[in-house]
Amino acid sequence: AQTVTQSQPEMSVQEAETVTLSCTYDTSESDYYLFWYKQPPSRQMILVIRQEAYKQQNATENRFSVNFQKAAKSFSLKISDSQLGDAAMYFCAYRSAASQGGSEKLVFGKGTKLTVNP
Amino acid sequence: GAVVSQHPSWVICKSGTSVKIECRSLDFQATTMFWYRQFPKQSLMLMATSNEGSKATYEQGVEKDKFLINHASLTLSTLTVTSAHPEDSSFYICSARRTFGQPQHFGDGTRLSIL
Repeated sequence: AQTVTQSQPEMSVQEAETVTLSCTYDTSESDYYLFWYKQPPSRQMILVIRQEAYKQQNATENRFSVNFQKAAKSFSLKISDSQLGDAAMYFCAYRSAASQGGSEKLVFGKGTKLTVNP
Repeated sequence: GAVVSQHPSWVICKSGTSVKIECRSLDFQATTMFWYRQFPKQSLMLMATSNEGSKATYEQGVEKDKFLINHASLTLSTLTVTSAHPEDSSFYICSARRTFGQPQHFGDGTRLSIL
């Protein structure tokens, strides 16, 4: 079974600064997807960024980028120019690829609470 | 976009009653919907996968008779917590996706409090 580990329960960053959230995972599959979701106090899960394992290029979405190290099974999220609205719980998640014939189940880490200080 | 609506957003009820939660995909047809449970300060745990027109697939440890799931149309899935007890109090979140492998879009969640 796949597992996702987020070793930082809480992180804080100054507004306009950069912060990196860590995520490691364990799997025996070769093809899969990795996600970062944001959950603000409103509780809705919002997809921040997605990475396909077969793509070597790191995904980027505006101020959000990932450092995907497949061999190390590491998938960190970098938030640049942090804004007050970035404050939220951030969850790293894993999902098997369709090619693996597995479940579409999302396996989540325990989350990292990000505080942005003005 | 891909909007998923969940209703109600918050419900408080007495122990022993049954509670129904709706999950709707507003602007797309969802052949599959997912139901998650989230305890305070915890991660989301998948409870079941709901496929339109067929029986739901439950994760290990989830009681089928306790958590009834119906996916009668391509835009609606319901989760009924039967004979709810205080230990069922939690945050329940649904997600929906168009076709296999497509990203899941989440609803706003339902906070269930059983007194």
